[in-house]
Amino acid sequence: KQEVTQIPAALSVPEGENLVLNCSFTDSAIYNLQWFRQDPGKGLTSLLLIQSSQREQTSGRLNASLDKSSGRSTLYIAASQPGDSATYLCAVRRDNNFNKFYFGSGTKLNVKP
Amino acid sequence: DAGITQSPRHKVTETGTPVTLRCHQTENHRYMYWYRQDPGHGLRLIHYSYGVKDTDKGEVSDGYSVSRSKTEDFLLTLESATSSQTSVYFCAISAGTSGGDETQYFGPGTRLLVL
Repeated sequence: KQEVTQIPAALSVPEGENLVLNCSFTDSAIYNLQWFRQDPGKGLTSLLLIQSSQREQTSGRLNASLDKSSGRSTLYIAASQPGDSATYLCAVRRDNNFNKFYFGSGTKLNVKP
Repeated sequence: DAGITQSPRHKVTETGTPVTLRCHQTENHRYMYWYRQDPGHGLRLIHYSYGVKDTDKGEVSDGYSVSRSKTEDFLLTLESATSSQTSVYFCAISAGTSGGDETQYFGPGTRLLVL
């Protein structure tokens, strides 16, 4: 069974800092990996999706990387803002047939003004 | 935002009663999912559907059943609610097509309290 871990569980940084969120998974045979953002009391919003054949994806101030062989992905947030405060979750898709996703428990980010 | 709605958004019920949650999409996506989210556990898949009348179990399916009679609707039923089923339930959809949009989109969630 695929296990997905996100460390740390919580992170507090001052505004303007660049930061990295980590996601690790136990089975490297993944199809893709997706990063989400969740605001309190809300659903999940997709941020970036990386296919297994890709090394990274970028959207604005966000950059996600994937190293399948080591079972790791990172989400880099540049010049953090208070509006970035949320919980960030990663999800691994097992293969292209079963369409199943395995989620980490998330990293709760607080960006202080 | 993807067109996904969930109803009800909040529900309080008593142990032993049946409960049905509804997920409705306007995107015509093939795949639909039900997850539950609990502190310390992240999101766990309950059931998913890969087409009308085609469903399969996820990792925490005991005590739950699903039905999908139309592309746009996916129902989750708690046969006899228990306190351990108190949770936030999320519906998600995905086109799931290789080379196309493989993103998973989530609904706003349903908060269920079983007393």
